[in-house]
Amino acid sequence: DTAVSQTPKYLVTQMGNDKSIKCEQNLGHDTMYWYKQDSKKFLKIMFSYNNKELIINETVPNRFSPKSPDKAHLNLHINSLELGDSAVYFCASSHVTGDNSPLHFGNGTRLTVT
Amino acid sequence: DQQVKQNSPSLSVQEGRISILNCDYTNSMFDYFLWYKKYPAEGPTFLISISSIKDKNEDGRFTVFLNKSAKHLSLHIVPSQPGDSAVYFCAASAGGGSEKLVFGKGTKLTVNP
Repeated sequence: DTAVSQTPKYLVTQMGNDKSIKCEQNLGHDTMYWYKQDSKKFLKIMFSYNNKELIINETVPNRFSPKSPDKAHLNLHINSLELGDSAVYFCASSHVTGDNSPLHFGNGTRLTVT
Repeated sequence: DQQVKQNSPSLSVQEGRISILNCDYTNSMFDYFLWYKKYPAEGPTFLISISSIKDKNEDGRFTVFLNKSAKHLSLHIVPSQPGDSAVYFCAASAGGGSEKLVFGKGTKLTVNP
């Protein structure tokens, strides 16, 4: 059983399009995250949600809109895609906000904008 | 501004020997440090962590050492095995546990048989 699963694994699209990446976790965790790994290989947090509520938004353009229908899901919708959005996007979850429980990551979605 | 730095992009060691991966940080507010391991086409997986109240944490073949005065931590793997070949990320956070982890760029470890 995959603990944190995200789809699709690969996404190739043209500039200006709108796309979504889905994430689901079956670990019973309360907090979910989106991280972006850019071309320089840095993993940077974008958002975190705790029980469907946004708790961290790291100055991400408002073209990126996370949606959490329930605490097991955190989807990422991206409007008007730009070339600079090309990256690997990782979903993650952890047990309790503020606790030192480690993040569990999905396998990533490689987004290529042409 | 890189708050967490892994200055060695790659490291190659022989099977059975010790692997030492290094990490430096600049933010003195960091109080929780983790190492993640990543295989190609997979997400990072948690390996080991250390709180700033400790200077060493050991889990099997993996030991993390923290030197707060030098703002430096290291991961020791002994003995190294070919299956340890992966990219290792150092990460740190300040007061928030796993929230707002700041990651380094990673070090690619290759363990040669």
